[in-house]
Amino acid sequence: EAEVAQSPRYKITEKSQAVAFWCDPISGHATLYWYRQILGQGPELLVQFQDESVVDDSQLPKDRFSAERLKGVDSTLKIQPAELGDSAMYLCASSLMETQYFGPGTRLLVL
Amino acid sequence: QKEVEQDPGPLSVPEGAIVSLNCTYSNSAFQYFMWYRQYSRKGPELLMYTYSSGNKEDGRFTAQVDKSSKYISLFIRDSQPSDSATYLCAMSERSNYKLTFGKGTLLTVNP
Repeated sequence: EAEVAQSPRYKITEKSQAVAFWCDPISGHATLYWYRQILGQGPELLVQFQDESVVDDSQLPKDRFSAERLKGVDSTLKIQPAELGDSAMYLCASSLMETQYFGPGTRLLVL
Repeated sequence: QKEVEQDPGPLSVPEGAIVSLNCTYSNSAFQYFMWYRQYSRKGPELLMYTYSSGNKEDGRFTAQVDKSSKYISLFIRDSQPSDSATYLCAMSERSNYKLTFGKGTLLTVNP
């Protein structure tokens, strides 16, 4: 069964450092999403791509976060500089239509 | 008022019990309704998906949607210890498929 791949699974960093997360969606899925999930909360959308174009990044803190999907396949989410409040699970999802399939997530801890 | 309200629990039931999980929403534009199951430190797994009012059954799981009341439910029959997880309701509009999640309900099924 096809799955969304994410790496790394865990990341520990110090505040002010740069971090990057990678996502490989299910083959053929044109839409890719990045979510942030704080412990005890539901995921919240950070950015949505349709192929290589950003559809919605209204909730992305653009002063420190950036996301790209250069060839319309895999994607990278970057945080620079990381802050203590960025500690969370970062989830990637992909879809053909309305149903989204999630990857295992990257758990980030900022010290 | 958040767009999607979900009682975070925790909910603890004995094995074999019928479990009822609920969400309410305020956005009448929501057309697609999903339930995700999330085990600890894992990504959300799509459990049930529906887009119409009424019931949808899949094995021990039944999803119910009442659009007139803006209320959705997930019923789990004959609950098993392996059902212990956080259950997230999620919904999206027809126009953009962006998911809005509830906070999630933590369920524990005791043997």
